[in-house]
Amino acid sequence: DVKVTQSSRYLVKRTGEKVFLECVQDMDHENMFWYRQDPGLGLRLIYFSYDVKMKEKGDIPEGYSVSREKKERFSLILESASTNQTSMYLCASSLDSATEAFFGQGTRLTVV
Amino acid sequence: GQQLNQSPQSMFIQEGEDVSMNCTSSSIFNTWLWYKQDPGEGPVLLIALYKAGELTSNGRLTAQFGITRKDSFLNISASIPSDVGIYFCAGRRGANNLFFGTGTRLTVIP
Repeated sequence: DVKVTQSSRYLVKRTGEKVFLECVQDMDHENMFWYRQDPGLGLRLIYFSYDVKMKEKGDIPEGYSVSREKKERFSLILESASTNQTSMYLCASSLDSATEAFFGQGTRLTVV
Repeated sequence: GQQLNQSPQSMFIQEGEDVSMNCTSSSIFNTWLWYKQDPGEGPVLLIALYKAGELTSNGRLTAQFGITRKDSFLNISASIPSDVGIYFCAGRRGANNLFFGTGTRLTVIP
């Protein structure tokens, strides 16, 4: 079975802090994604990566950056956390551009 | 980004009833996916559809890839309490992205 693991289930950070959310997948997938999920808005794509060191902006990249130094790991970085970044963050991976995506368990981030 | 219109937004049904939800788009997709999300968890893949007209079942779940490639539906037969959750459709167009619907929140009343 595919396993996508996010490093934290719950995080509480202060406004202005730099925050790292880590995601690891164990199935040698090419593509990895970061989404945020907010009530009434569904899942919105922040960034995705289709190869090591490659990244593409999604629908809402502002205030975020990403890093993919190794194939199995995709990190989401909040350069200076703000309260409007309080959300559920979901990482996903897929083998390639034609196959289904598998999700991690999510990280609920609260910025105070 | 591409919006998928998913309906209904929420459903309250009695245990044992059948459930139907659907997803439509103004654009064509090559892949339709259906996910279920339990509270506090990530979405879990239920069914993947890769061909227009395809009808696929997974236990009590049945999903179809619309012939126009712009829609898909999911049916759940004989609902049980553990069917409670949020169901998401997602469409893929061959790019490295998935577009998600806004979800259908299902409540099953025992």
